[in-house]
Amino acid sequence: RKEVEQDPGPFNVPEGATVAFNCTYSNSASQSFFWYRQDCRKEPKLLMSVYSSGNEDGRFTAQLNRASQYISLLIRDSKLSDSATYLCVVAWGGGSYIPTFGRGTSLIVHP
Amino acid sequence: NAGVTQTPKFRVLKTGQSMTLLCAQDMNHEYMYWYRQDPGMGLRLIHYSVGEGTTAKGEVPDGYNVSRLKKQNFLLGLESAAPSQTSVYFCASSLPSSGANVLTFGAGSRLTVL
Repeated sequence: RKEVEQDPGPFNVPEGATVAFNCTYSNSASQSFFWYRQDCRKEPKLLMSVYSSGNEDGRFTAQLNRASQYISLLIRDSKLSDSATYLCVVAWGGGSYIPTFGRGTSLIVHP
Repeated sequence: NAGVTQTPKFRVLKTGQSMTLLCAQDMNHEYMYWYRQDPGMGLRLIHYSVGEGTTAKGEVPDGYNVSRLKKQNFLLGLESAAPSQTSVYFCASSLPSSGANVLTFGAGSRLTVL
């Protein structure tokens, strides 16, 4: 049983489309939430943190639903350069605060 | 500012050989981690360290050992490599006291065990 679940995709969308990913987590004591982006054969890099009130960074919007234990990432006006794997990351306390990664959702944006 | 540096970037081993992956960070981060990434499996935590001289097991620790003798370095050892350890290994570091446990990753080490 994976503690952080994501639809692996791939999500195949045209340029300019809006696409949304969800991620569910099993530990109700989870405290921190993030989206990372990973390009092919590269290291993951932080895309954005996810705050309780929801947050936006340009074309990207992240939301948290604690009651249903999921986070989401919305990408508006998709660009070719958005093609990547998006990793959901959840961390909970208990002393160590160690992040756990989902398996990632693959996005392919085509012309 | 180099961030997180992993060496070597590529290595081919024969079954039964041993090797050590080195991770070095220059950001004065407290926490360091070793992950492995396999196709379809995402990143899985092998071992981690919350400070100099301390280490702990992650999700998939078997077959690996680690040491954190200096704050800036985190070593991952394979005593007797097996083909199942063929993978891409990522080291990361973080500073939880900054308010959010954001990870900075190295570029990865690609290991093949024949």
